[in-house]
Amino acid sequence: AQRVTQPEKLLSVFKGAPVELKCNYSYSGSPELFWYVQYSRQRLQLLLRHISRESIKGFTADLNKGETSFHLKKPFAQEEDSAMYYCALSGQAAGNKLTFGGGTRVLVKP
Amino acid sequence: DAGVTQSPTHLIKTRGQHVTLRCSPISGHKSVSWYQQVLGQGPQFIFQYYEKEERGRGNFPDRFSARQFPNYSSELNVNALLLGDSALYLCASSLSTSGKVEQFFGPGTRLTVL
Repeated sequence: AQRVTQPEKLLSVFKGAPVELKCNYSYSGSPELFWYVQYSRQRLQLLLRHISRESIKGFTADLNKGETSFHLKKPFAQEEDSAMYYCALSGQAAGNKLTFGGGTRVLVKP
Repeated sequence: DAGVTQSPTHLIKTRGQHVTLRCSPISGHKSVSWYQQVLGQGPQFIFQYYEKEERGRGNFPDRFSARQFPNYSSELNVNALLLGDSALYLCASSLSTSGKVEQFFGPGTRLTVL
């Protein structure tokens, strides 16, 4: 069974401080991992995926298969990073249903 | 392209009633998926359709059904509504059913069951 766990419901940091959102998963096989973000009054949108290995808006995420984790990091948080963040998983095979974690709300204080 | 569109935006129903939610995918996308998001939780997969065929179903009762039309738009139907069906219903479209492909989400339909 696929499962995604985000242990923090809320992360509150000051502007310029580092932020790390934790994500752990369970999946029997090679998963595709994603981070989705939802800004206030906007729709859910893809932030980044592990296969791209790219940095988006200063965020990076590394897939650690040994620890089954896909933590999201940003060295210097900005106020516009305040949003709801969801870690999600899908299988590589056909059928791209996403299994989401419970989400972490990030609040960046000035 | 306006992206994925959903209608209606909000809906209020009473227990036992039936509801139909609609979704139009991004032009060229042949796959549509439905998710339920209960307040305070992450979205939960309900159905996936591709080329008018059901390709996946989540752990939801038979009161939930869906279909996809020749123009790739989709409807989600829920019968015999329960209070626990109150949620945000999200539709997502993608080019294919590959797990590597990005899903694009609509704004959702907020369903309230009284």
